[in-house]
Amino acid sequence: GQQLNQSPQSMFIQEGEDVSMNCTSSSIFNTWLWYKQDPGEGPVLLIALYKAGELTSNGRLTAQFGITRKDSFLNISASIPSDVGIYFCAVLYGNKLVFGAGTILRVKS
Amino acid sequence: GAVVSQHPSRVICKSGTSVKIECRSLDFQATTMFWYRQFPKQSLMLMATSNEGSKATYEQGVEKDKFLINHASLTLSTLTVTSAHPEDSSFYICSVAGGPSHEQYFGPGTRLTVT
Repeated sequence: GQQLNQSPQSMFIQEGEDVSMNCTSSSIFNTWLWYKQDPGEGPVLLIALYKAGELTSNGRLTAQFGITRKDSFLNISASIPSDVGIYFCAVLYGNKLVFGAGTILRVKS
Repeated sequence: GAVVSQHPSRVICKSGTSVKIECRSLDFQATTMFWYRQFPKQSLMLMATSNEGSKATYEQGVEKDKFLINHASLTLSTLTVTSAHPEDSSFYICSVAGGPSHEQYFGPGTRLTVT
Protein backbone atom coordinates (compact mmCIF):
# COMPACT_ATOMS: atom_id res chain seq x y z
CA GLY A 1 0.00 0.00 0.00
CA GLN A 2 0.89 3.64 -0.05
CA GLN A 3 3.35 4.83 2.57
CA LEU A 4 4.13 8.22 3.97
CA ASN A 5 7.43 8.92 5.68
CA GLN A 6 6.86 11.33 8.52
CA SER A 7 9.63 12.88 10.57
CA PRO A 8 10.72 13.44 13.18
CA GLN A 9 9.22 10.59 15.12
CA SER A 10 9.15 12.69 18.27
CA MET A 11 10.20 16.10 19.54
CA PHE A 12 10.71 17.52 23.02
CA ILE A 13 10.95 21.27 22.84
CA GLN A 14 10.94 24.29 25.09
CA GLU A 15 7.77 26.37 25.31
CA GLY A 16 8.01 29.28 22.91
CA GLU A 17 10.15 27.46 20.35
CA ASP A 18 9.07 26.90 16.79
CA VAL A 19 8.43 23.36 15.54
CA SER A 20 8.74 21.87 12.10
CA MET A 21 7.74 18.42 10.89
CA ASN A 22 7.39 16.95 7.43
CA CYS A 23 6.05 14.13 5.36
CA THR A 24 7.33 12.67 2.13
CA SER A 25 6.05 10.12 -0.30
CA SER A 26 7.38 8.32 -3.34
CA SER A 27 4.05 8.92 -5.07
CA ILE A 28 2.23 12.05 -6.11
CA PHE A 29 -0.87 13.05 -4.16
CA ASN A 30 -3.26 15.89 -4.85
CA THR A 31 -4.52 16.44 -1.31
CA TRP A 32 -2.41 16.64 1.84
CA LEU A 33 -3.87 16.98 5.31
CA TRP A 34 -2.51 17.55 8.79
CA TYR A 35 -4.28 16.24 11.88
CA LYS A 36 -3.62 16.49 15.60
CA GLN A 37 -4.57 13.74 18.04
CA ASP A 38 -4.77 14.29 21.78
CA PRO A 39 -4.37 11.27 24.08
CA GLY A 40 -7.47 9.09 24.06
CA GLU A 41 -9.20 11.18 21.41
CA GLY A 42 -9.83 11.03 17.70
CA PRO A 43 -7.77 13.14 15.26
CA VAL A 44 -8.80 16.71 14.55
CA LEU A 45 -8.18 18.28 11.17
CA LEU A 46 -5.77 21.21 11.38
CA ILE A 47 -5.03 22.16 7.80
CA ALA A 48 -6.00 20.82 4.37
CA LEU A 49 -3.88 21.50 1.27
CA TYR A 50 -5.24 21.05 -2.24
CA LYS A 51 -2.78 22.80 -4.57
CA ALA A 52 0.91 22.16 -5.17
CA GLY A 53 2.98 24.99 -3.72
CA GLU A 54 0.09 26.15 -1.54
CA LEU A 55 1.01 27.68 1.81
CA THR A 56 -1.84 27.77 4.32
CA SER A 57 -2.01 29.09 7.85
CA ASN A 58 -4.31 28.37 10.77
CA GLY A 59 -3.34 30.56 13.70
CA ARG A 60 0.18 29.61 14.74
CA LEU A 61 0.19 26.68 12.33
CA THR A 62 1.47 26.90 8.78
CA ALA A 63 1.56 24.07 6.28
CA GLN A 64 2.84 23.84 2.74
CA PHE A 65 2.04 21.47 -0.07
CA GLY A 66 5.30 20.67 -1.86
CA ILE A 67 5.65 21.73 -5.46
CA THR A 68 6.43 18.15 -6.51
CA ARG A 69 3.23 16.97 -4.78
CA LYS A 70 5.31 14.40 -2.94
CA ASP A 71 5.80 16.19 0.34
CA SER A 72 4.37 18.59 2.87
CA PHE A 73 5.56 20.28 6.02
CA LEU A 74 3.84 21.68 9.10
CA ASN A 75 5.28 24.47 11.20
CA ILE A 76 4.07 25.52 14.64
CA SER A 77 5.31 28.87 15.83
CA ALA A 78 5.80 29.90 19.47
CA SER A 79 4.75 26.55 20.91
CA ILE A 80 2.60 26.40 24.02
CA PRO A 81 1.86 23.50 26.40
CA SER A 82 -1.47 22.66 24.75
CA ASP A 83 0.35 21.92 21.49
CA VAL A 84 1.31 18.59 23.05
CA GLY A 85 -0.04 15.63 21.11
CA ILE A 86 0.55 13.50 18.06
CA TYR A 87 0.56 15.17 14.67
CA PHE A 88 -0.28 13.11 11.61
CA CYS A 89 0.06 13.92 7.98
CA ALA A 90 -2.38 12.21 5.66
CA VAL A 91 -3.06 12.00 1.95
CA LEU A 92 -6.15 11.23 -0.03
CA TYR A 93 -5.67 7.96 -1.93
CA GLY A 94 -8.74 7.28 -3.99
CA ASN A 95 -11.56 7.91 -1.54
CA LYS A 96 -9.50 6.90 1.48
CA LEU A 97 -7.10 8.61 3.84
CA VAL A 98 -3.61 7.21 4.34
CA PHE A 99 -1.83 8.42 7.45
CA GLY A 100 1.81 8.94 8.27
CA ALA A 101 3.27 7.34 11.38
CA GLY A 102 2.89 10.52 13.41
CA THR A 103 5.14 12.98 15.23
CA ILE A 104 4.87 13.02 19.01
CA LEU A 105 5.29 16.55 20.31
CA ARG A 106 6.15 17.26 23.92
CA VAL A 107 6.52 20.81 25.21
CA LYS A 108 8.57 21.71 28.23
CA SER A 109 7.27 24.76 30.07
CA GLY B 1 -17.11 20.28 10.68
CA ALA B 2 -19.42 17.43 11.65
CA VAL B 3 -19.86 16.37 15.27
CA VAL B 4 -19.29 12.64 15.72
CA SER B 5 -19.91 10.58 18.83
CA GLN B 6 -18.94 7.03 19.69
CA HIS B 7 -20.35 4.72 22.29
CA PRO B 8 -19.03 3.28 24.45
CA SER B 9 -15.85 5.24 25.03
CA ARG B 10 -14.25 2.30 26.81
CA VAL B 11 -15.24 -1.35 27.03
CA ILE B 12 -13.72 -4.43 28.61
CA CYS B 13 -14.96 -7.81 27.51
CA LYS B 14 -14.03 -11.42 27.96
CA SER B 15 -12.39 -13.44 25.23
CA GLY B 16 -14.95 -15.10 22.99
CA THR B 17 -17.70 -12.54 23.50
CA SER B 18 -18.90 -9.94 21.00
CA VAL B 19 -18.83 -6.19 21.38
CA LYS B 20 -20.79 -3.55 19.48
CA ILE B 21 -19.45 -0.04 18.98
CA GLU B 22 -21.71 2.74 17.75
CA CYS B 23 -20.70 5.73 15.69
CA ARG B 24 -23.18 8.57 15.35
CA SER B 25 -23.07 11.68 13.21
CA LEU B 26 -24.95 14.21 15.34
CA ASP B 27 -25.42 17.10 12.92
CA PHE B 28 -24.50 15.75 9.55
CA GLN B 29 -25.98 13.21 7.17
CA ALA B 30 -23.12 10.84 6.55
CA THR B 31 -23.40 8.82 3.37
CA THR B 32 -20.02 7.30 4.09
CA MET B 33 -18.39 6.35 7.36
CA PHE B 34 -14.96 4.88 7.92
CA TRP B 35 -13.71 2.59 10.68
CA TYR B 36 -10.10 2.71 11.79
CA ARG B 37 -8.04 0.78 14.29
CA GLN B 38 -5.09 2.26 16.14
CA PHE B 39 -2.65 0.21 18.20
CA PRO B 40 -0.57 1.95 20.89
CA LYS B 41 2.02 4.33 19.51
CA GLN B 42 0.96 3.56 15.97
CA SER B 43 -0.91 5.35 13.26
CA LEU B 44 -4.52 4.90 12.21
CA MET B 45 -5.19 1.98 9.91
CA LEU B 46 -8.35 1.92 7.84
CA MET B 47 -10.40 -1.22 8.44
CA ALA B 48 -13.43 -0.63 6.28
CA THR B 49 -15.56 1.87 4.43
CA SER B 50 -19.22 1.84 5.35
CA ASN B 51 -21.80 3.15 2.89
CA GLU B 52 -25.36 3.82 3.99
CA GLY B 53 -27.73 1.13 2.80
CA SER B 54 -25.09 -1.11 1.27
CA LYS B 55 -22.39 -3.55 2.32
CA ALA B 56 -19.16 -2.29 3.77
CA THR B 57 -15.92 -2.48 1.84
CA TYR B 58 -13.15 -4.05 3.87
CA GLU B 59 -9.43 -3.42 3.56
CA GLN B 60 -7.11 -6.25 2.74
CA GLY B 61 -6.43 -8.40 5.76
CA VAL B 62 -9.54 -7.35 7.69
CA GLU B 63 -11.96 -10.23 8.25
CA LYS B 64 -15.47 -9.15 7.36
CA ASP B 65 -17.04 -11.96 9.36
CA LYS B 66 -15.16 -10.91 12.46
CA PHE B 67 -15.73 -7.16 12.17
CA LEU B 68 -19.37 -6.75 11.25
CA ILE B 69 -20.36 -3.31 10.02
CA ASN B 70 -23.88 -2.03 9.67
CA HIS B 71 -24.70 1.43 8.31
CA ALA B 72 -28.47 1.41 8.48
CA SER B 73 -29.05 5.17 8.50
CA LEU B 74 -27.31 8.39 7.54
CA THR B 75 -26.46 9.05 11.18
CA LEU B 76 -25.48 5.65 12.58
CA SER B 77 -22.91 3.00 11.80
CA THR B 78 -22.05 0.12 14.09
CA LEU B 79 -18.98 -2.08 14.30
CA THR B 80 -19.38 -5.44 16.02
CA VAL B 81 -16.25 -7.31 17.01
CA THR B 82 -17.32 -10.93 17.10
CA SER B 83 -15.64 -13.63 19.18
CA ALA B 84 -13.15 -11.10 20.48
CA HIS B 85 -9.61 -12.14 21.35
CA PRO B 86 -6.95 -10.26 23.31
CA GLU B 87 -5.21 -9.30 20.07
CA ASP B 88 -8.36 -7.37 19.11
CA SER B 89 -7.67 -4.99 21.98
CA SER B 90 -7.18 -1.62 20.36
CA PHE B 91 -8.49 1.90 19.92
CA TYR B 92 -11.31 1.93 17.35
CA ILE B 93 -12.13 5.25 15.72
CA CYS B 94 -14.84 6.09 13.24
CA SER B 95 -15.07 9.03 10.89
CA VAL B 96 -17.84 10.45 8.77
CA ALA B 97 -17.70 11.94 5.31
CA GLY B 98 -20.64 13.67 3.69
CA GLY B 99 -18.96 15.19 0.69
CA PRO B 100 -15.48 14.74 -0.73
CA SER B 101 -13.98 12.04 1.45
CA HIS B 102 -11.05 14.11 2.56
CA GLU B 103 -13.51 16.05 4.66
CA GLN B 104 -13.48 13.37 7.30
CA TYR B 105 -14.50 14.20 10.84
CA PHE B 106 -13.44 11.75 13.50
CA GLY B 107 -15.20 10.42 16.55
CA PRO B 108 -13.53 10.37 19.98
CA GLY B 109 -12.67 6.68 19.70
CA THR B 110 -13.51 3.53 21.67
CA ARG B 111 -10.90 1.74 23.73
CA LEU B 112 -11.53 -2.00 23.60
CA THR B 113 -9.77 -4.31 26.01
CA VAL B 114 -10.29 -8.05 25.68
CA THR B 115 -9.29 -10.13 28.68
